[in-house]
Amino acid sequence: GQQLNQSPQSMFIQEGEDVSMNCTSSSIFNTWLWYKQDPGEGPVLLIALYKAGELTSNGRLTAQFGITRKDSFLNISASIPSDVGIYFCAGQIPSSNTGKLIFGQGTTLQVKP
Amino acid sequence: DGGITQSPKYLFRKEGQNVTLSCEQNLNHDAMYWYRQDPGQGLRLIYYSQIVNDFQKGDIAEGYSVSREKKESFPLTVTSAQKNPTAFYLCASSPIPGQRAYEQYFGPGTRLTVT
Repeated sequence: GQQLNQSPQSMFIQEGEDVSMNCTSSSIFNTWLWYKQDPGEGPVLLIALYKAGELTSNGRLTAQFGITRKDSFLNISASIPSDVGIYFCAGQIPSSNTGKLIFGQGTTLQVKP
Repeated sequence: DGGITQSPKYLFRKEGQNVTLSCEQNLNHDAMYWYRQDPGQGLRLIYYSQIVNDFQKGDIAEGYSVSREKKESFPLTVTSAQKNPTAFYLCASSPIPGQRAYEQYFGPGTRLTVT
């Protein structure tokens, strides 16, 4: 089946540093979504991307829909301790009109104050 | 406030018992989903429903059952046939049709422990 490869698997950074993570697929997607999950909670939608090449920001977060439609990137600038959590990418399968998403395995972010 | 509620937050059951997890949304969303999350893993789709009285199997439906009698509610039953039921269960909903149909919003989750 289709898979999303998310990297890195985990990151341990100093407060104030910038963070980059990405998702790649062997298949094209029509929509890319980025979520953040705090421990023991449900994921929260951060950014949704709908067009190849699209660059969207949400505060200190910036995400891009890759031009090939097979990848997406999330950047966090000037990290703070509350950025700690698991970040998931998700993509919508072009052949599906059911709303089904494919999720990456997640990037665990730890921030050292 | 609009949102998705799941109850209870923690659930403990003995092996061999069926258990039903609740999911309610007041977002007026048509589609609802159930996912399972294991430690260090991504989300795997169990069942989804696009409309009342209709639902489809996801990638790991064996040992689970659902119903969709009301637009707001999508309960999940974990049956005794599910071989490894201990996990974190997440319910989500999304509006359809339209471009934002793929923006799924999640509830807080139910952690099920079966011993």
